[in-house]
Amino acid sequence: EVQLVESGGGLIQPGGSLRLSCAASGFTVSTNFMSWVRQAPGRGLEWVSVIFSAGSTYYADSVKGRFTISRDNSKNTLYLQMNSLRAEDTAVYYCARGTTVGRYYDYWGQGTLVTVSS
Amino acid sequence: DIVLTQSPGTLSLSPGERATLSCRASQSVSSSYLAWYQQKPGQAPRLLIYGASSRATGIPDRFSGSGSGTDFTLTISRLEPEDFAVYYCLQYGNSRFSFGPGTEVDVK
Repeated sequence: EVQLVESGGGLIQPGGSLRLSCAASGFTVSTNFMSWVRQAPGRGLEWVSVIFSAGSTYYADSVKGRFTISRDNSKNTLYLQMNSLRAEDTAVYYCARGTTVGRYYDYWGQGTLVTVSS
Repeated sequence: DIVLTQSPGTLSLSPGERATLSCRASQSVSSSYLAWYQQKPGQAPRLLIYGASSRATGIPDRFSGSGSGTDFTLTISRLEPEDFAVYYCLQYGNSRFSFGPGTEVDVK
């Protein structure tokens, strides 16, 4: 059974850093493309970043240069390193698994809340 | 970057009625790279449709997708009580993804 479990969220001051983790089970993270998607309170879904199976990474303009997506194949875990955090980064962050046959997400974690506030 | 627009923002309907949701792209999107998601409060999104018109596993046949190029549609033939939710379209292009702003289907 495919499962994605996010962790690492919490309250952080503006300008601070946080690393989110997404522990995967039931599949291998290096086989699929993986993404982070966020949702600010009361708002819609916003795509944040993707790491493809070959290792290439891409980011939304709103986080480029501040966030870094990575994976640890030995731990079967996806990460999002978030630096220079701003109030507008406050959101629930979801980890999502991409399929091997298309460009869409078929499994999602339950999300972890990041609150950026002084 | 490709921008998705969804309309209407809110759709107020009664159970049993037909819902038609629109997703328009700022430039052409490959049909293979257009998907639809349903999200209920406090839950993660759920995949409904991929490749513009293919139903995901376990999705009832009252849900259907269509369209090509810049115009895509999600249709719910007869609304069930559990279908009242927010619906998002997702596209992939130029190594990036984007979601539409969502359409909320609520009870009239």
